[in-house]
Amino acid sequence: DAKTTQPPSMDCAEGRAANLPCNHSTISGNEYVYWYRQIHSQGPQYIIHGLKNNETNEMASLIITEDRKSSTLILPHATLRDTAVYYCIVRVATGGGNKLTFGTGTQLKVEL
Amino acid sequence: EPEVTQTPSHQVTQMGQEVILRCVPISNHLYFYWYRQILGQKVEFLVSFYNNEISEKSEIFDDQFSVERPDGSNFTLKIRSTKLEDSAMYFCASRFRGDYNEQFFGPGTRLTVL
Repeated sequence: DAKTTQPPSMDCAEGRAANLPCNHSTISGNEYVYWYRQIHSQGPQYIIHGLKNNETNEMASLIITEDRKSSTLILPHATLRDTAVYYCIVRVATGGGNKLTFGTGTQLKVEL
Repeated sequence: EPEVTQTPSHQVTQMGQEVILRCVPISNHLYFYWYRQILGQKVEFLVSFYNNEISEKSEIFDDQFSVERPDGSNFTLKIRSTKLEDSAMYFCASRFRGDYNEQFFGPGTRLTVL
């Protein structure tokens, strides 16, 4: 699975959009970008995933650059409850047990 | 909304004792996982399980660890002889099927080995 690079921490004002970047310059054509988050030692929570098109769901939007070497997770209106560690994970869609390999992620702190 | 549940929420044990951590995955899910997170460290994959057998395991998952799906609902992780370094949060996860589906994680069991 491709390696990812994320900033260790970010701050965001409540109500503003939180834009979390992820670099994955060695991504292969069959690898997807997944985003999970972990709120204060709770179990990780799936947010969104994509291959090359931008994706949106009720939680967030995922913007993947055309060359697929980086992506941005957007929380459109961050709230205090979005304070968490956000993990960008790149992995193939098929094969093995589909384990997730977590890095250190980005600690997002949403403040008033 | 269906969710993964885990029991107990906190387990304290003496070094050398056996522990069994229990998980109830989401009912129609077919793939099951255990991960662990030592305090302040990354979430680490331990094992994946499908069709009543282990499909992948990490180097951490040595002979002291075993998994079982004893009935149609429970998924257990057994540590035969606990060590101090086994102290961690243990997360169970499950996935429906297909390779793209997300994994749903439980709230975790905090294991403390004294």
